[in-house]
Amino acid sequence: AQKITQTQPGMFVQEKEAVTLDCTYDTSDPSYGLFWYKQPSSGEMIFLIYQGSYDQQNATEGRYSLNFQKARKSANLVISASQLGDSAMYFCAMREGRGGADGLTFGKGTHLIIQP
Amino acid sequence: KAGVTQTPRYLIKTRGQQVTLSCSPISGHRSVSWYQQTPGQGLQFLFEYFSETQRNKGNFPGRFSGRQFSNSRSEMNVSTLELGDSALYLCASSLNLLGGTDTQYFGPGTRLTVL
Repeated sequence: AQKITQTQPGMFVQEKEAVTLDCTYDTSDPSYGLFWYKQPSSGEMIFLIYQGSYDQQNATEGRYSLNFQKARKSANLVISASQLGDSAMYFCAMREGRGGADGLTFGKGTHLIIQP
Repeated sequence: KAGVTQTPRYLIKTRGQQVTLSCSPISGHRSVSWYQQTPGQGLQFLFEYFSETQRNKGNFPGRFSGRQFSNSRSEMNVSTLELGDSALYLCASSLNLLGGTDTQYFGPGTRLTVL
């Protein structure tokens, strides 16, 4: 069964608009971490934001925020005031607390294109 | 602080050959993980090293191996290359925090092409 599901293969967004990238996850481990990474065409995976399963508040990092809905097992990434440089692949990932035996589990990604 | 570095960045090999990829983690990071990224399978976990010991391993054949040195630098080796091994190989380092809190920082990757 897929542990991380990203249902949006691609998105087109106008510059300066806010964008929400969807991510749902599946785990029975009470302790886990959720991560979002950005991968430009160059290939490097850039860490954006982290949310712990026990965190009471949604994580924020500059223009990035994570809409964490634990009961729904949802961890959507919100990018405010999108910029042309935000065009890239975005991956949601999870690491379970049981020693992270499988490393990071990634979703299939969302290809975000910001249009001027 | 310097990021994760990987060498070489690009590599072309032929079937049956073997290849060694290198990864230098962020200073102070003791955990190194490797991932394979292909268009068909996406990002898949290969293995993780900590204190020179392989701690976790993904579902890959024994042709894929790795090691970690005392300075935390890591290498991965693929023997008897197959066409399907063509991929972007990403290395990530982390502080080795407990539970799921350990944030991994990735290098630029090595793009391997097998002909």
